[in-house]
Amino acid sequence: DGGITQSPKYLFRKEGQNVTLSCEQNLNHDAMYWYRQDPGQGLRLIYYSQIVNDFQKGDIAEGYSVSREKKESFPLTVTSAQKNPTAFYLCASSGIQGNPPIEQYFGPGTRLTVT
Amino acid sequence: EDKVVQSPLSLVVHEGDTVTLNCSYEVTNFRSLLWYKQEKKAPTFLFMLTSSGIEKKSGRLSSILDKKELFSILNITATQTGDSAIYLCAVEANNYGQNFVFGPGTRLSVLP
Repeated sequence: DGGITQSPKYLFRKEGQNVTLSCEQNLNHDAMYWYRQDPGQGLRLIYYSQIVNDFQKGDIAEGYSVSREKKESFPLTVTSAQKNPTAFYLCASSGIQGNPPIEQYFGPGTRLTVT
Repeated sequence: EDKVVQSPLSLVVHEGDTVTLNCSYEVTNFRSLLWYKQEKKAPTFLFMLTSSGIEKKSGRLSSILDKKELFSILNITATQTGDSAIYLCAVEANNYGQNFVFGPGTRLSVLP
C-alpha cells in the first residue's frame, strides 16, 4: 500500500538529548515536509524539501535539523537546542507543484514528550 | 506574509445540528484551498477547491470557495458525534518552497 510511515508513534526523552524522528514515503513524491502541532493549534512548518539533498527552513526551524539523502526518507532531529520540544510531529509529502494543484498526504504522526 | 485564518476556533454543538466553518486567506499566487479533518492522528483530506462558486459535496459535508472575497466555508449538516475533530484549512500557494499555509483549525465537538 502507498503511504507515509512515521516512527515511533510515541517517544519519550530526557531534556538535553537529541532525538531523531523517522519519516518514510513510498508515494514517489518529490516534496516532503515536517510540521509541529501543539494542543489546540494548527500546523506550523519546521522544514521542507523539494528535492533530494536540498531542504529549506520553515517558520520554526530553530532547534531542529533534517536531511534528505533519499527521495523516500526525510528524518527530523530534535536537538537539545529546541526549547520546548514536547509536541505532536507530522510528516507530509506531495508532488511538485504543477498542473493540476496538489494535495499533501500526512503520516500518522509522532508524539514526542521531553521531561 | 501569507496567512490563513479560521473561525470559530472552537465550536460545541449537539447531534443533528448544522455547522458552518469559515476560512479566510491572504496569499500570493493562490492555487487551491484544501480542507482536512484531523481526529487523533494524521489529517485526512476532505476537499480541494480551485474555482469560485462550485460546491464540492461528500455526504453531509460540503464546501465552497469565493476567490473574490478570499474565503471558503465548510458545511456539515445533521452532525454526528463522529464529526468531532479539528478541521484544518490550508491554502496552496504557487511560490517556490513553502507551498502550503495552514490555518489554526476549528475544533468541533458534537455532543450526543
